[in-house]
Order: sequence, then structure tokens, then C-alpha cells
Amino acid sequence: AQSVTQPDIHITVSEGASLELRCNYSYGATPYLFWYVQSPGQGLQLLLKYFSGDTLVQGIKGFEAEFKRSQSSFNLRKPSVHWSDAAEYFCAFRSNDYKLSFGAGTTVTVRA
Amino acid sequence: KAGVTQTPRYLIKTRGQQVTLSCSPISGHRSVSWYQQTPGQGLQFLFEYFSETQRNKGNFPGRFSGRQFSNSRSEMNVSTLELGDSALYLCASSLAKGHYEQYFGPGTRLTVT
Repeated sequence: AQSVTQPDIHITVSEGASLELRCNYSYGATPYLFWYVQSPGQGLQLLLKYFSGDTLVQGIKGFEAEFKRSQSSFNLRKPSVHWSDAAEYFCAFRSNDYKLSFGAGTTVTVRA
Repeated sequence: KAGVTQTPRYLIKTRGQQVTLSCSPISGHRSVSWYQQTPGQGLQFLFEYFSETQRNKGNFPGRFSGRQFSNSRSEMNVSTLELGDSALYLCASSLAKGHYEQYFGPGTRLTVT
């Protein structure tokens, strides 16, 4: 079945430390992959997307993600987190029938 | 350019009632999708409309329906509300058929009592 999995439900990171959020996908062809962020009580904001080409994609707010076909992964990274990065992060996959399927989400807590 | 807007932002309904939620996409966007977000089930796809036609539908009962108008604005309707319909309903718009980025609105928080 086509899906995305986020193995980590909750991650706590110190302000200024690096952050990596994991996402694994299951799909036969090259997937269309996205990372979204959701602050409490808000909608989802698109951080970055991967369609094809360069496997390292840059997004907004200093985030980047790397597509690794051999590992079926699309992990999100940020070199130095800020307190405002505390939020829930969703990896999503778009199949050929235009539906977005989301992972369960990873909640990031930033400690001072 | 204004983002996706959803009205109302908050809604409280009683079991058995019906509700209509509204979504205005980003100007120029022709595709509108709806999602339900709950703590237990996460984000689930409801349906997508493109040029006033439902292009795809998720696994929800027939009580959930939607439509899109000629100006791309969309509404979704839930009839005979159940307690389990309490959720954040998110609308997302995208530019056109070949563009896959979806931009989300702030959502409508529906509480069924």
C-alpha cells in the first residue's frame, strides 16, 4: 500500500541544537513528497516539496530535506532550532490520484 | 495574495444536526481539497474538487458531501452529525491539475455535543 510513516511521535531538542525528523515512504514509482508544519490551533504550512531532480531540497524557515530512494526516506533537517520551531511536523505523499496521504506527525518540543 | 480562508473558524453543533463549512481558495487556484483531522485518526482526505467536479473521494460515509462553485469556492456539508465528527476540518487549494503543492487554510473546529 502507498503510505508514509513517521517513526518518531515526539522529539525534544535543545534550542540551538540540530533537528532531524524521519519520514519513510512506500510507493513503487518516484513519489511526490512534502513536509508541512502545524502550530497549535493553526492550519498546515508547506515547508518544502520534492518532485524530482536534486535530492536535497531547501525549504522555508531554514529547513531542508533529503530524498534517498535506496532507503525510501525523506528526512527533514534543520541545523539550529529556534524556540519558534516547536510544532507538529507532517510528512505527506501525493499519489497519482491527487490525494495527499499524511504520516501520523512528529511533535517537536524545544527546551531552552 | 490572500491565503485560503475558511468560515466559520469555530462551530458547535448538536448530534443529529447538519453543518456547512465554507472554503475560499487562493485567487487563481482551481482545485480544493478537504481533510479531517482528529487526534485518533490524524489527517484524512475527504474529497477534492477541480473545476466544479469531484475528482476524488476518501473513505467517508455519504453523510459527508461537498461542492465547488464556478468561482472555485467550495463548501462541505455533514448531515446527521455524530459525536465522532468532532474534528478540525481543513481546506487546501492548489493551482491546477498539474501542480501538486497544496496550501492550507486555518481550519474549522467543529464540536458535536
